[in-house]
Amino acid sequence: GQNIDQPTEMTATEGAIVQINCTYQTSGFNGLFWYQQHAGEAPTFLSYNVLDGLEEKGRFSSFLSRSKGYSYLLLKELQMKDSASYLCAVRDSDYKLSFGAGTTVTVRA
Amino acid sequence: IAGITQAPTSQILAAGRRMTLRCTQDMRHNAMYWYRQDLGLGLRLIHYSNTAGTTGKGEVPDGYSVSRANTDDFPLTLASAVPSQTSVYFCASSAGGGGDEQFFGPGTRLTVL
Repeated sequence: GQNIDQPTEMTATEGAIVQINCTYQTSGFNGLFWYQQHAGEAPTFLSYNVLDGLEEKGRFSSFLSRSKGYSYLLLKELQMKDSASYLCAVRDSDYKLSFGAGTTVTVRA
Repeated sequence: IAGITQAPTSQILAAGRRMTLRCTQDMRHNAMYWYRQDLGLGLRLIHYSNTAGTTGKGEVPDGYSVSRANTDDFPLTLASAVPSQTSVYFCASSAGGGGDEQFFGPGTRLTVL
């Protein structure tokens, strides 16, 4: 099974940078995903890491260290529309995802 | 239909009643999943299907059953609903394998009284 931890809440100012950390303990690792979920909506895919290092996609970047069981999602140039929950998910060798409880990010003007 | 659809959008159900949540995808994805999402617990996998004709149990399968008669449809049945099954249910699909992400349906909000 998987044990995935991420902070419950974070607050940041518009235009700033926020880093959401995710740590995991896994019995079989086959990739790490980040999803964004706005209130009352479905999760949508943000990023995928399977090898160590940084993946950059516009304002969003995700980092993975498999030896440390650690990932982070970096949100740059925060906008009000980035206020949402961010879900860290680990995929096992059977291609099933286990999700963390999510981090609610509030962006203030 | 575009992507994944779920029905109903929301439902209030008396305890002990049988209920089927419907999920249909038009992306010809091999794999489909059912999750429940509860406050503070995140998304938890109920059942999954890697391909038509096969199903598997996830983290919280008790009280739920699924079938996968074809590629597009993956219904979730609560045989005898209980209040602890009050939740938001999401269906998802993926092409299967590799770095492919899961695409989620809009969800069904179920209340069992």
